[in-house]
Amino acid sequence: DIQMTQSPSSLSASVGDTVTITCRASQSISAYLNWYQQKPGKAPKLLIYASSSLQSGVPSRFSGSGIETYFTLTITSLQPEDFATYFCQQSYSVPLTFGPGTKVDI
Amino acid sequence: QLVESGGGLVKPGGSLRLSCAASGFIFGSYSMSWVRQAPGKGLEWVSYISSSGSPMYYADSVKGRFSISRDNALNSLHLQMNSLRDEDTAVYYCARGSYKLLPDDAFDIWGQGTMVTVSS
Repeated sequence: DIQMTQSPSSLSASVGDTVTITCRASQSISAYLNWYQQKPGKAPKLLIYASSSLQSGVPSRFSGSGIETYFTLTITSLQPEDFATYFCQQSYSVPLTFGPGTKVDI
Repeated sequence: QLVESGGGLVKPGGSLRLSCAASGFIFGSYSMSWVRQAPGKGLEWVSYISSSGSPMYYADSVKGRFSISRDNALNSLHLQMNSLRDEDTAVYYCARGSYKLLPDDAFDIWGQGTMVTVSS
């Protein structure tokens, strides 16, 4: 199974900051890496697919990059509605696996 | 839109059948998955079914106990859960995947989730 790790596990930031979350895969997953945002009590929301493709309707302040085993999610000019937990997920092979999440709070 | 139903309280060893009603898109063109989230924990993929109904895949934690199925004529997805354990307690989400084959897949539409509690 492919293990996904994320760092940091949590971070504190302010409105207007730029934050970067890292996701690492235990083996190469090419660019088959997706990012989700989840707010308390809500279903996850797809932000980025295939490492760097922005999902329709997602603000352009979200961006993703990476390949093989190292990936990043960057949020520029953090907005109040961006305070949430972020998960990466690989679709390269079954079982599909998620990272443990990164909580972004104030 | 995806709407789950069928969750509830069940005793260990019991069974439950979750359903997910899809609308607003051509259901039969997309893969579907179930993803769960235990209270206060992260996301765990449970099962996948392709647009045609085969192949199907399962997490090791549920293999042999859970069964995924779909009815493209009725725009519905199901998860039959047998031999339930305490550790199956979670919110269960159905999620739409891709119109392409794996690995080109991402969960772009999610239901609101249905809570399954396994407890004596």
